[in-house]
Amino acid sequence: EVHLVESGGGLVKPGGSLRLSCADSGFLFSGYSMNWVRQAPGKGLEWVASINGDSSDINYADSVKGRFTISRDNAKSSLYLLMNTLRAEDTAVYYCARDRSLATPGLDYWGQGTLVTVS
Amino acid sequence: DIQMTQSPSSVSASVGDRVTITCRASQSISRWLAWYQQKPGKAPKLLIYAASNLQSEVPSRFRGSGSGTDFTLTIGSLQPEDSATYYCQQADSFPYTFGQGTKLEIK
Repeated sequence: EVHLVESGGGLVKPGGSLRLSCADSGFLFSGYSMNWVRQAPGKGLEWVASINGDSSDINYADSVKGRFTISRDNAKSSLYLLMNTLRAEDTAVYYCARDRSLATPGLDYWGQGTLVTVS
Repeated sequence: DIQMTQSPSSVSASVGDRVTITCRASQSISRWLAWYQQKPGKAPKLLIYAASNLQSEVPSRFRGSGSGTDFTLTIGSLQPEDSATYYCQQADSFPYTFGQGTKLEIK
């Protein structure tokens, strides 16, 4: 059974930094691209960043480019999101999500989410 | 960036009804579209990938169709547990983008 667990959320002041983590269990972590998706309170889903299995292909939403860094440690089966220069508009629940396949993509497993509040 | 537009933004239907939600992409995305269901306080759940492929363990009353720029999610014979918000997402190119969501209410 695939199980993703996020951690690291909390309250941070504008301009501050935070590092989110996502730990997996139950699948070959290195074989999958991983993503961060966020959801501001009462709003829809916003894709944030993606990283492929060997970290050779990384992509960001324009809204976070230059401020956020996605990374992974396959030996630890862990995904990370380093968030710098945080703004009030970054306040959201952050989910990590696995991309099921490069051939037929779709985010098939999600963590429970971790809340980041910038205030 | 590819813009995804869903309609309607909300819909109310009765148990047993059939409901259709549409999603339009601002440019062709071939068949690289996914549909998700999200219930309050929960993470989204993948229903459909590659426009028409049913994700494992998703009931067969959920059906996806379309290609290019126009896609639909049809829920046949609505059940009470289908009350949720539904999102489409394009997976053709980065940045991935989601539709704004369709809230489905069961009367």
